[in-house]
Amino acid sequence: LAKTTQPISMDSYEGQEVNITCSHNNIATNDYITWYQQFPSQGPRFIIQGYKTKVTNEVASLFIPADRKSSTLSLPRVSLSDTAVYYCLVGETYNFNKFYFGSGTKLNVKP
Amino acid sequence: NAGVTQTPKFRILKIGQSMTLQCAQDMNHNYMYWYRQDPGMGLKLIYYSVGAGITDKGEVPNGYNVSRSTTEDFPLRLELAAPSQTSVYFCAGRTNTEAFFGQGTRLTVV
Repeated sequence: LAKTTQPISMDSYEGQEVNITCSHNNIATNDYITWYQQFPSQGPRFIIQGYKTKVTNEVASLFIPADRKSSTLSLPRVSLSDTAVYYCLVGETYNFNKFYFGSGTKLNVKP
Repeated sequence: NAGVTQTPKFRILKIGQSMTLQCAQDMNHNYMYWYRQDPGMGLKLIYYSVGAGITDKGEVPNGYNVSRSTTEDFPLRLELAAPSQTSVYFCAGRTNTEAFFGQGTRLTVV
């Protein structure tokens, strides 16, 4: 399973765009990149998943460069309610037996 | 469709006691997981299951046991509770794309 590295914490202000980068230098050919969000006292919640280039949904965008050794989760115009921990996971979608979370990035959105 | 349901939500145990954390899902997930999360830390995988009758250890299995007699239920057993097992426990079921988590069980061992 590819190891991931994320910043421990980030600060932002309401209305700003936030980009959280995840490094995964030993990503394998069949690995997908998935991001989860966790609010205090709740279980993580799926945000977005991608394999290469760019994926966008109603919540976020995921940018993956050609070498796939890193990925960037982009949250447009954050609000106070986006304050949470964001986890980057890397692994095979159809063989995700050991589903490991790292330490995540604590995003603190300020008014 | 309730998703993944964990019971109880809170529990206080005395050192040496045992208990079972219940996890039930109605989404027909084959893959299910148990995690623990200590304050300010990420999730650590305790055990996982890829289907009824099949379980395997994760990162931190010591002091825990699991069973998977049905697709729906994946209980986590703590034997001889220790203060180091004070944590929030999350159960999850997963599709090929995403995992769905329960609301967690906050366990304190005193």
